[in-house]
Amino acid sequence: LAKTTQPISMDSYEGQEVNITCSHNNIATNDYITWYQQFPSQGPRFIIQGYKTKVTNEVASLFIPADRKSSTLSLPRVSLSDTAVYYCLVVPYSGAGSYQLTFGKGTKLSVIP
Amino acid sequence: NAGVTQTPKFRVLKTGQSMTLLCAQDMNHEYMYWYRQDPGMGLRLIHYSVGEGTTAKGEVPDGYNVSRLKKQNFLLGLESAAPSQTSVYFCASSYRQGRITDTQYFGPGTRLTVL
Repeated sequence: LAKTTQPISMDSYEGQEVNITCSHNNIATNDYITWYQQFPSQGPRFIIQGYKTKVTNEVASLFIPADRKSSTLSLPRVSLSDTAVYYCLVVPYSGAGSYQLTFGKGTKLSVIP
Repeated sequence: NAGVTQTPKFRVLKTGQSMTLLCAQDMNHEYMYWYRQDPGMGLRLIHYSVGEGTTAKGEVPDGYNVSRLKKQNFLLGLESAAPSQTSVYFCASSYRQGRITDTQYFGPGTRLTVL
């Protein structure tokens, strides 16, 4: 399983765009990049997943360069409710389910009024 | 549609006591998982199940047993609780989509303290 490295914590003011970068130097050809969000006292929640280039949904965007050794989660115009821990995961696609999720310590994002 | 539910939400045990945590999902998911999360740490996989009647060990299985007698339920048992098992336990489930890796849906967690 590819190891991921992401900042332990980040601070941002409300209304700003936040970019959280994750490095995964030994990502394999069949691996997908997935991000989860966890609010205090709750279970993690899936945010976004991608394989290459750019993926956007109603919550975030995910940028993946051509070499796929890193990825950046972008949260536009954050609010106080975006304060959470964000986990970057590299998930192997095996066609048989994603039970091999490995959660690191994540990035604790604190949004300041 | 309740998603993934966990029972109980909180529990305090004495060392050596046993208990069972119940996870239930109403999304007809094939796969179910049990994780533990310690303060300041990410989640670690304890056991998982890829279908009714099947279970497998995850990263930290020692001291835990599981059963998946019904598709919608996944039970986590502690036969003889130890203080090292003080943690927050999360259950999750996912549906095999086939072409992409499957999103896991998590329950609200059970906070367990072993004295």
